[in-house]
Amino acid sequence: GAGVSQSPSNKVTEKGKDVELRCDPISGHTALYWYRQSLGQGLEFLIYFQGNSAPDKSGLPSDRFSAERTGGSVSTLTIQRTQQEDSAVYLCASSIQGWTGELFFGEGSRLTVL
Amino acid sequence: AQKVTQAQTEISVVEKEDVTLDCVYETRDTTYYLFWYKQPPSGELVFLIRRNSFDEQNEISGRYSWNFQKSTSSFNFTITASQVVDSAVYFCALGSNAGNMLTFGGGTRLMVKP
Repeated sequence: GAGVSQSPSNKVTEKGKDVELRCDPISGHTALYWYRQSLGQGLEFLIYFQGNSAPDKSGLPSDRFSAERTGGSVSTLTIQRTQQEDSAVYLCASSIQGWTGELFFGEGSRLTVL
Repeated sequence: AQKVTQAQTEISVVEKEDVTLDCVYETRDTTYYLFWYKQPPSGELVFLIRRNSFDEQNEISGRYSWNFQKSTSSFNFTITASQVVDSAVYFCALGSNAGNMLTFGGGTRLMVKP
């Protein structure tokens, strides 16, 4: 499809396990964001990639969280040793213009940590 | 620091009523952008509008209108003659040179009843 694609759409895991969430942005979009949305809450910024620049990791809540973007396209968000408080919907968005332009969001990956 | 406040967590109206969603922002930057996004029950956020800090003209798009007032740091969103399909969570967001990301408000859940 032409939109932002995220997988898996749902992930249930046990506390302490590692998880990987994938984001496939719109082709040609150089900016890619990860946000987290906890139940009934707003969006919490996690990390931002722009082209070949070093990512802005200022929103990552702990060192258990990491993300990479390969070839300027697909991104993977990894959460190590998951905790129950990591349960949330993880949203990926891409943009042509970075934060000044319209962000196109995926449908999110719902993570449940038991 | 940037901050976006949406004081109304939930609003319920009857179809055809007009409704205004409030958004108040804080930023020290003189150049910034304000956004509204809609998150329907399906979950995918959809861009509605972007305004830059130098353009205080109000905007109307069909049943939607936006009132940007720098004097009160507000960017309110009005839906005229609401419809059931308007039921969603609406997010106001702020972007500025202070950071690479959009700062989102907590969202307002709008329920339009038939």
